[in-house]
Amino acid sequence: EIVLTQSPGILSLSPGERATLSCRASQTVSSTYLAWYQQKPGQAPRLLIYAASSRATGIPDRFSGSGSGTDFTLTISGLEPEDFAVYYCQQYGSSPQTFGQGTKVEIK
Amino acid sequence: QVQLQESGPGLVKPSETLSLTCTVSGGSITYYYWSWIRQPPGGGLEWIGYIYYSGNTYYNPSLKSRVTISVASSRNQFSLKLSSVTAADTAVYYCARGGNLDFWGQGTLVTVSS
Repeated sequence: EIVLTQSPGILSLSPGERATLSCRASQTVSSTYLAWYQQKPGQAPRLLIYAASSRATGIPDRFSGSGSGTDFTLTISGLEPEDFAVYYCQQYGSSPQTFGQGTKVEIK
Repeated sequence: QVQLQESGPGLVKPSETLSLTCTVSGGSITYYYWSWIRQPPGGGLEWIGYIYYSGNTYYNPSLKSRVTISVASSRNQFSLKLSSVTAADTAVYYCARGGNLDFWGQGTLVTVSS
């Protein structure tokens, strides 16, 4: 099983700042099969990024994904008030699919 | 726009079987994988398994002995059964489309308690 470790656990930032979230895998993950999700309280997760760097439909371009192999990054270029949430990475190329434990982006 | 909706009992007794159905609207169930994911209260996401529209299934080994996922293409539905439940199975259960989970249901809380 591929273990995904996200860091930091909590990121305290102000609106307008840049957020950089990390996802490290215990084994190589094909870039084709790495995704990022945003989850707000009481809501289902929402797909932001798939195939490591492709934005899902309707996702603003302030969200970008990068990385390969075992190290992947989600960047939010300028935080909007609605971006404060929990973010999860997921690999879906190897069974079982696995998720990271999440990074909470909170208002500083 | 594809929409998914989970349905089923919100309370299940220990040792019994949890049964949920996901109804897909706004699109066909054909040619996609359909997944179940769960999230315990205050916890992270756990992939349970998925089914291809043709019926091929893939389960998380940690749950494999207790999980069955089935599909009813004519009704645009797929279902989850989890047997011998314990309090550790209390969670919000989500259905979603695909491997990269591009459409999700709103989730349904299932509590295991006597």
